[in-house]
Amino acid sequence: EIVLTQSPGTLSLSPGERATLSCRASQSVSSSYLAWYQQKPGQAPRLLIYGASSRATGIPDRFSGSGSGTDFTLTISRLEPEDFAVYYCQQYGSSPNTFGQGTRLEIK
Amino acid sequence: QVQLVQSGAEVKKPGSSVKVSCKASGGTFSSYTISWVRQAPGQGLEWMGRIIPILGIANYAQKFQGRVTITADKSTSTAYMELSSLRSEDTAVYYCARDSSHYYDSSGYPGHLWGQGTMVTVSS
Repeated sequence: EIVLTQSPGTLSLSPGERATLSCRASQSVSSSYLAWYQQKPGQAPRLLIYGASSRATGIPDRFSGSGSGTDFTLTISRLEPEDFAVYYCQQYGSSPNTFGQGTRLEIK
Repeated sequence: QVQLVQSGAEVKKPGSSVKVSCKASGGTFSSYTISWVRQAPGQGLEWMGRIIPILGIANYAQKFQGRVTITADKSTSTAYMELSSLRSEDTAVYYCARDSSHYYDSSGYPGHLWGQGTMVTVSS
């Protein structure tokens, strides 16, 4: 089973700043099958990024993903008030399709 | 517009079973992988397993092997997740999620479409 470790656990930033979230895998994620989700309280997760770097439909271009192998990054270029939420990475290259433990992005 | 609509909240006794449904409306169903993910209160997301309805093939996370059964009824475009031998730690919101494209499409990805979630509470 691939274990995904996200860092930091909590990130405190202000609107307009740049956010960098990390997801590290315990072994290589095949074909960069890595996704990022955003979740707000009381809501289902929302897919942001798939294939490590492809934006899902309707996702603003301030969200970008990068990385391969075992190291992946989600970058939010300029934070908007609605971006403060919890973010999860998920690998879907091998079963089980594990999730990271999440990074909480909070307003500073 | 395709939607996944899940069954309502459940309260169960320890040791019993729960069966949660996930009905796809407004589109095709059978050739898309459906996954089940749960989230305990205040905790992260946990992948439980998935099914390809048209093939009837399911696979499960090791943690849930022997306790979870994922099935699908193609005639009603509904997937089911049944969890048995419930304990308090199974209290969670259970989500179904559909892949972006047909199961044989290697460019597809999970989590394209989500159900609204079903709260399952296990309490004596």
